[in-house]
Amino acid sequence: ETGVTQTPRHLVMGMTNKKSLKCEQHLGHNAMYWYKQSAKKPLELMFVYSLEERVENNSVPSRFSPECPNSSHLFLHLHTLQPEDSALYLCASSQVPPVANTGELFFGEGSRLTVL
Amino acid sequence: QKEVEQDPGPLSVPEGAIVSLNCTYSNSAFQYFMWYRQYSRKGPELLMYTYSSGNKEDGRFTAQVDKSSKYISLFIRDSQPSDSATYLCAIRGAQKLVFGQGTRLTINP
Repeated sequence: ETGVTQTPRHLVMGMTNKKSLKCEQHLGHNAMYWYKQSAKKPLELMFVYSLEERVENNSVPSRFSPECPNSSHLFLHLHTLQPEDSALYLCASSQVPPVANTGELFFGEGSRLTVL
Repeated sequence: QKEVEQDPGPLSVPEGAIVSLNCTYSNSAFQYFMWYRQYSRKGPELLMYTYSSGNKEDGRFTAQVDKSSKYISLFIRDSQPSDSATYLCAIRGAQKLVFGQGTRLTINP
């Protein structure tokens, strides 16, 4: 495995379900991110784990719960979601402090979530 | 006012055309200007980045930054069907990275 891998690629869930998204990075990075991508909207940063500290976007509802057991693995636990939460959820990793100053993010292919 | 504005398109042009993609931003503290490319069913990948005002060229792609106008552009020369993707501008300051909405581009053979 190389790069950033996400599972599952597609997920359909009801509003009362509990599910989790998984992300694994094989790049040796020390920061991992969850982004939400909705049509015609900017990528929305949800959570960052950097140098073992968590930074979160205060506008993210509590029905999204991240977990980062180590620098290579990241989870997003989902419970009692709403239809408006349907989106592509992207995991990314990077090196902190950034190399070459760009702070380049390396993204996975995303998990397409549909909430019925 | 949004920190970064990008026309989401869609934009459709014939093969071989010159494509111009643009973003405006509001915060003069932003320092690094990047373009990510996202193919369908894939995650975004960094395409180009610039630090200062001016042009940076990489093959058929040219990134342009005008800090005085807070305006960045990506030009694609001799566009190919394989360039069909969503292009996202991303601008970084000391503590934050902000993405544009992305422009969906289709190059028609």
